[in-house]
Amino acid sequence: GQQLNQSPQSMFIQEGEDVSMNCTSSSIFNTWLWYKQDPGEGPVLLIALYKAGELTSNGRLTAQFGITRKDSFLNISASIPSDVGIYFCAGRLTGNKLVFGAGTILRVKS
Amino acid sequence: DAGVIQSPRHEVTEMGQEVTLRCKPISGHDYLFWYRQTMMRGLELLIYFNNNVPIDDSGMPEDRFSAKMPNASFSTLKIQPSEPRDSAVYFCASSLDRGLWGYTFGSGTRLTVV
Repeated sequence: GQQLNQSPQSMFIQEGEDVSMNCTSSSIFNTWLWYKQDPGEGPVLLIALYKAGELTSNGRLTAQFGITRKDSFLNISASIPSDVGIYFCAGRLTGNKLVFGAGTILRVKS
Repeated sequence: DAGVIQSPRHEVTEMGQEVTLRCKPISGHDYLFWYRQTMMRGLELLIYFNNNVPIDDSGMPEDRFSAKMPNASFSTLKIQPSEPRDSAVYFCASSLDRGLWGYTFGSGTRLTVV
């Protein structure tokens, strides 16, 4: 079945540093989404991307939908302690099914 | 809007017992999804509904699992009988019309089967 390869698996960075994570797939997706999950909560949508090549920002977050439609990246600039959590990429197939990556665990040293 | 509401937040049960997880989607959303999250397998889609009708249950692990959506504002996921390997966090999510804006997740039910 469809699979998303998300990397890195985890990151431990200094407060103020920029963060970059990405997802790749062998399948083409119509939509790429990035979610963040805080401990004890469900994932919350951060950014949605709908067109190949699209670059979208949400505050300190920037995400891009790859030209091949098989990959996406998420950048976080000037990280702060509340950025800690698990970040998931998700690709939408036809219909309304999302496939999720395994997640990137982000830890921030203040 | 209260968001997607799941209950209970935590459930501890003995092996062999029946477990029922509940979900109230966001009003007006016509898609409802049940996911299971574990360290080993990440987020797995179990089943989803559109307009209260099950569309894809290919992720339901086995016959011990069943899900219903009797109306637009309520869904249940039942495990009978429960086993220790069912221990996980179960999420319900809902979306509006093909999910162009992604899903809205509930806070999850942490199930522990001992």
